[in-house]
Amino acid sequence: AQSVTQLGSHVSVSEGALVLLRCNYSSSVPPYLFWYVQYPNQGLQLLLKYTSAATLVKGINGFEAEFKKSETSFHLTKPSAHMSDAAEYFCAVSARPQAGTALIFGKGTTLSVSS
Amino acid sequence: GAVVSQHPSRVICKSGTSVKIECRSLDFQATTMFWYRQFPKQSLMLMATSNEGSKATYEQGVEKDKFLINHASLTLSTLTVTSAHPEDSSFYICSARESGGAGDTQYFGPGTRLTVL
Repeated sequence: AQSVTQLGSHVSVSEGALVLLRCNYSSSVPPYLFWYVQYPNQGLQLLLKYTSAATLVKGINGFEAEFKKSETSFHLTKPSAHMSDAAEYFCAVSARPQAGTALIFGKGTTLSVSS
Repeated sequence: GAVVSQHPSRVICKSGTSVKIECRSLDFQATTMFWYRQFPKQSLMLMATSNEGSKATYEQGVEKDKFLINHASLTLSTLTVTSAHPEDSSFYICSARESGGAGDTQYFGPGTRLTVL
């Protein structure tokens, strides 16, 4: 069985500060890992994904995440927060190489950015 | 990038009526589509997996006779909420997995806000 735990339901940072959103996963098979962002009343937008290539994954909007197998973590970071980064962020895992497997989502982390 | 649309984006209906939500992959073919439900301030919960040309696979606790899914083509899946009641009010989101795509990436629709009065 797979699961995802996002530590911290709410993270607040100042504009320009480092953003760190934590995600730990549990999987009995090598996982695919994803970070999605959701703005109010909208669907999910893919930020980045890990699919067994480089362990440091770069995504859109300056975000990146590092897959650490030893720590079963896939934390999301951004060096400098922008006001437009305020949103809900979801970490997700799926089993591979099983095709068509649905994503298992974490409970989400709300990121607030203050000026 | 791959685009998934949903229609309608928002619907308000009376209790007892049925509502159909469409999910379309606009620029790619999707053998598999997924339907999720999201309550306010909560995460997405998988309702069912929709496979083109076959019956959908429902998650435990999801009534298949209430939430009818039809995946008639490689670009369209529909979710029909039958005899809707206020407790069915929620944000419904679909996603589509690109056929033959690498990395099992799913692309999400913008969601449909259902309000049952």
